[in-house]
Amino acid sequence: EPEVTQTPSHQVTQMGQEVILRCVPISNHLYFYWYRQILGQKVEFLVSFYNNEISEKSEIFDDQFSVERPDGSNFTLKIRSTKLEDSAMYFCASSGGTSGSTQYFGPGTRLLVL
Amino acid sequence: DAKTTQPNSMESNEEEPVHLPCNHSTISGTDYIHWYRQLPSQGPEYVIHGLTSNVNNRMASLAIAEDRKSSTLILHRATLRDAAVYYCILRATNQAGTALIFGKGTTLSVSS
Repeated sequence: EPEVTQTPSHQVTQMGQEVILRCVPISNHLYFYWYRQILGQKVEFLVSFYNNEISEKSEIFDDQFSVERPDGSNFTLKIRSTKLEDSAMYFCASSGGTSGSTQYFGPGTRLLVL
Repeated sequence: DAKTTQPNSMESNEEEPVHLPCNHSTISGTDYIHWYRQLPSQGPEYVIHGLTSNVNNRMASLAIAEDRKSSTLILHRATLRDAAVYYCILRATNQAGTALIFGKGTTLSVSS
């Protein structure tokens, strides 16, 4: 069964550094998403992406964040200058094609900002 | 998206049925009821969704009240692997591309 993959599984960075989280969505999906989950808290929507542009974003997704689909398979989330409060689990998801509105999530990247 | 209310936690024994309730008294006529779950240390996983009629799939059944103000996710025989946080989410559209808004969900514990 096709699945969403994410790399790296864990990332440790220093405050102020840039990080790029990578995702490979399911191949025939057209909609891509990033969510985050701070330890012990709810899963929070960050951004959705369709047709090479952002279609929806939350208040969390400020100027420090950006997303990109650099090629036909990868979908990335960049945090330009990480803060301590960016420490969280980041989940990529994709939907579309025959799955309709069902979103399929990756296993996540655990980001720790020191 | 309209608000849902779920119990914080529930317990079950292995191989017994589990009924996870969700109240959504402010649901609109076009809201779809979606259920996702999150196993420990994993990303959320789709379980089932419906609009008005009861739905069944290989994972679970969804029973929707006639007035649509509540619904129940039914796991017919709980296994240890079903221990997870279960989220009931209303979506104003069944179209792809819209955000999922997660609440706190119900933490299901399954004992052997």
